[in-house]
Amino acid sequence: QSALTQPASVSGSPGQSITISCTGTSSDVGGYNYVSWYQQHPGKDPKLMIYDVNKRPSGVSNRFSGSKSGNTASLTISGLQAEDEGDYYCSSHTSSSTPLFGGGTKLTVL
Amino acid sequence: QVQLQESGPRLVKPSETLSLTCTVSGGSINRYYWSWIRQPPGKGLEWIGYIYYSGNTNYNPSLKSRVTISVDTSKNQFSLKLNSVTTADTAVYYCARTITWFDPWGQGTLVTVSS
Repeated sequence: QSALTQPASVSGSPGQSITISCTGTSSDVGGYNYVSWYQQHPGKDPKLMIYDVNKRPSGVSNRFSGSKSGNTASLTISGLQAEDEGDYYCSSHTSSSTPLFGGGTKLTVL
Repeated sequence: QVQLQESGPRLVKPSETLSLTCTVSGGSINRYYWSWIRQPPGKGLEWIGYIYYSGNTNYNPSLKSRVTISVDTSKNQFSLKLNSVTTADTAVYYCARTITWFDPWGQGTLVTVSS
């Protein structure tokens, strides 16, 4: 079981929008609408930002949105803010019912 | 709201068994799946396995031969045992409630494998 593929790093300036991709296969990302995204700041536990592809938990800013096309899911952050800097991980349900994480993406706010 | 807290030894010797417990407070352990997830220093997240409150389990194929997850509903706790550990098992270990997503998470506990 290979990890889902994410870019190692992305960056953007305050106010801009960025998108982080998460690529899998038809046995995971493409086969189910069960992709979730997590934000992690250094030394902290991951925080759920998006679940079931495009749903936002209560309390998460509407600047965060999720989508999916084929075997690739995406997390978009609009109106980038300094506090958005951190690591982002995607996760997907799989055909073997064993959840899979992406390798993580480091977001730098310039 | 539901909170999770990991507990257990922070230092384990190579070839021995890593044992951790996750205590669920603010809600019942019943009706949900509960996962263990780990993160080696400076690396990404790896799902270890989950257990349903009834006792049904599912494990990461890469760790399946060494992992046992159990649940004690009377104590609102679930536990992880990872045997025959090596230095590659050094990581922050998290527990998390599992639906089709993971939330909430415990704060994590760093377990170091070293002689």
